[in-house]
Amino acid sequence: SQQGEEDPQALSIQEGENATMNCSYKTSINNLQWYRQNSGRGLVHLILIRSNEREKHSGRLRVTLDTSKKSSSLLITASRAADTASYFCATDYNDYKLSFGAGTTVTVRA
Amino acid sequence: NAGVTQTPKFQVLKTGQSMTLQCAQDMNHNSMYWYRQDPGMGLRLIYYSASEGTTDKGEVPNGYNVSRLNKREFSLRLESAAPSQTSVYFCASSDQGGTEAFFGQGTRLTVV
Repeated sequence: SQQGEEDPQALSIQEGENATMNCSYKTSINNLQWYRQNSGRGLVHLILIRSNEREKHSGRLRVTLDTSKKSSSLLITASRAADTASYFCATDYNDYKLSFGAGTTVTVRA
Repeated sequence: NAGVTQTPKFQVLKTGQSMTLQCAQDMNHNSMYWYRQDPGMGLRLIYYSASEGTTDKGEVPNGYNVSRLNKREFSLRLESAAPSQTSVYFCASSDQGGTEAFFGQGTRLTVV
């Protein structure tokens, strides 16, 4: 079964607003990653946070990790139309295989 | 620098036909993956290769075989295609297991 699960399944926001999505996972991990997928394209890596880190920033992205709750959140600040995409969390498990959740679809309205 | 290249991009098969999906990476990565993506299911791992000469089953390996031909290439074979294998297939690679993965553009496969 899949390791990660994102919430919400879909999110619609106005341009300039912040978007927050969450990821919960089942077993202990070495790291957690977030990816973006534009419609009809492959996934693109956004950020990796290690199990001993609590927060990480990259540009307009902020990721938190709470290993006690087995959860992570991705915050996109000041959203743009180009942020419209599906976002996936991925965790490593069982000899470093990467497991993905079902994703959150984000729509940014102009 | 091409990254991860998958061929073909689109394919239609009849039930029972066989085919091989090709994947090659030019980043000298050790680990390679095959995933399938179905609506509402996210990506599910079919097979994984930690290094040249090794392969391991993922979450949904039934009906598939793989070959890690060399460090660059990792192919996925459907011996007898079934409609349930209609999906988008992604190949990915990473320097080592669990680190940042780079994805190909996908193969959209329809089995009729």
